[in-house]
Amino acid sequence: EDQVTQSPEALRLQEGESSSLNCSYTVSGLRGLFWYRQDPGKGPEFLFTLYSAGEEKEKERLKATLTKKESFLHITAPKPEDSATYLCAVQGAGGTASKLTFGTGTRLQVTL
Amino acid sequence: DTEVTQTPKHLVMGMTNKKSLKCEQHMGHRAMYWYKQKAKKPPELMFVYSYEKLSINESVPSRFSPECPNSSLLNLHLHALQPEDSALYLCASSQAPLEGQGVVLKSGNTIYFGEGSWLTVV
Repeated sequence: EDQVTQSPEALRLQEGESSSLNCSYTVSGLRGLFWYRQDPGKGPEFLFTLYSAGEEKEKERLKATLTKKESFLHITAPKPEDSATYLCAVQGAGGTASKLTFGTGTRLQVTL
Repeated sequence: DTEVTQTPKHLVMGMTNKKSLKCEQHMGHRAMYWYKQKAKKPPELMFVYSYEKLSINESVPSRFSPECPNSSLLNLHLHALQPEDSALYLCASSQAPLEGQGVVLKSGNTIYFGEGSWLTVV
């Protein structure tokens, strides 16, 4: 069974204070690892898909990296508008390609 | 343009009511999903339609009835719900894996979510 563990559960940063969120996973044959951002009361917004170890993707202040056991979402010089819950999910080859296994998320708060 | 549109955004219904949630996508995706999300929890998969056929039902109670009228539309019919069914209901779509046709895609299919429908059962 695929499993995803995210840490920390909550993170409070000051504006400009860079940090990383962790997503550890166990999966039988990784089809893809996904990062989403979710604002309160809204649906998850797609950020990145990573397919293989060593892959990196960037978007504005966010950079996602992938190893064989974990993924990191690096946030450089965050702003208050980056405050949200960040969800990590995997698709494994063991089950149907349609199914995502989510972690419980990291709630990020960025203060002035 | 990655847009999944859900209506209504908010719905309050009594336990004896019948209502429906609607979802539409125009990305040409052939897989559509219903997820349920409770506060401070990750989304939980309910149903998956692939090429307009129900391919996954995650043991969802029969008071939830999905329908896929065509490749762009997905409905969730609600009847005799319980207060514990109150949640954010998320529709999503993706390119469809070709498992049913003997080909399994090696790359993951990115799943795009709508804004959700907040359901309150009173």
